[in-house]
Amino acid sequence: AQSVTQPDIHITVSEGASLELRCNYSYGATPYLFWYVQSPGQGLQLLLKYFSGDTLVQGIKGFEAEFKRSQSSFNLRKPSVHWSDAAEYFCAVDKSRGGADGLTFGKGTHLIIQP
Amino acid sequence: NAGVTQTPKFRVLKTGQSMTLLCAQDMNHEYMYWYRQDPGMGLRLIHYSVGEGTTAKGEVPDGYNVSRLKKQNFLLGLESAAPSQTSVYFCASSYFTPGANVLTFGAGSRLTVL
Repeated sequence: AQSVTQPDIHITVSEGASLELRCNYSYGATPYLFWYVQSPGQGLQLLLKYFSGDTLVQGIKGFEAEFKRSQSSFNLRKPSVHWSDAAEYFCAVDKSRGGADGLTFGKGTHLIIQP
Repeated sequence: NAGVTQTPKFRVLKTGQSMTLLCAQDMNHEYMYWYRQDPGMGLRLIHYSVGEGTTAKGEVPDGYNVSRLKKQNFLLGLESAAPSQTSVYFCASSYFTPGANVLTFGAGSRLTVL
């Protein structure tokens, strides 16, 4: 079945430490890939996206993600987290590659930052 | 520039009552979407619209109806609310650019059905 998987429901990281959030997809063709962040009580904000080209993409707030076709993965990274990064993170795919039928989201990873 | 605005932000309903959630966008976007978010489930697409006067079913459309009478508005209706529809509802809109479909989200509407 086609799916987007975020294997980690919760991740706890110390402030200043590095972060990697995992995302795997299962589709016949490489979909367009996105990471969104949701702060408590807020809507979703786009962090970054991958359509084609360079497999390492830079986003806002110091985040980056690397597309690995061989692993069907699009993991999100940040070298040094800040307390304000505590939030819910969603990986999403556009399986129609620019079509109008919306995005499919993973179940999310809740990031906790320890002082 | 307000972006995507959802009203109301909070609502409590009794089982069997009806209500409408309103989504308004001021970005002249063609596409609009309604998602629901439930704990541990991520966001699931309810209905979407590719233009004024058009709607289509998403992943979880049962129990909901939608209308897009004006380009800037997308309404989500619950005709007979059920406790299973307790959720946070998000509206999103996007524009068509060849090879891209980037969604802008509203702040959400929290609905509780007793």
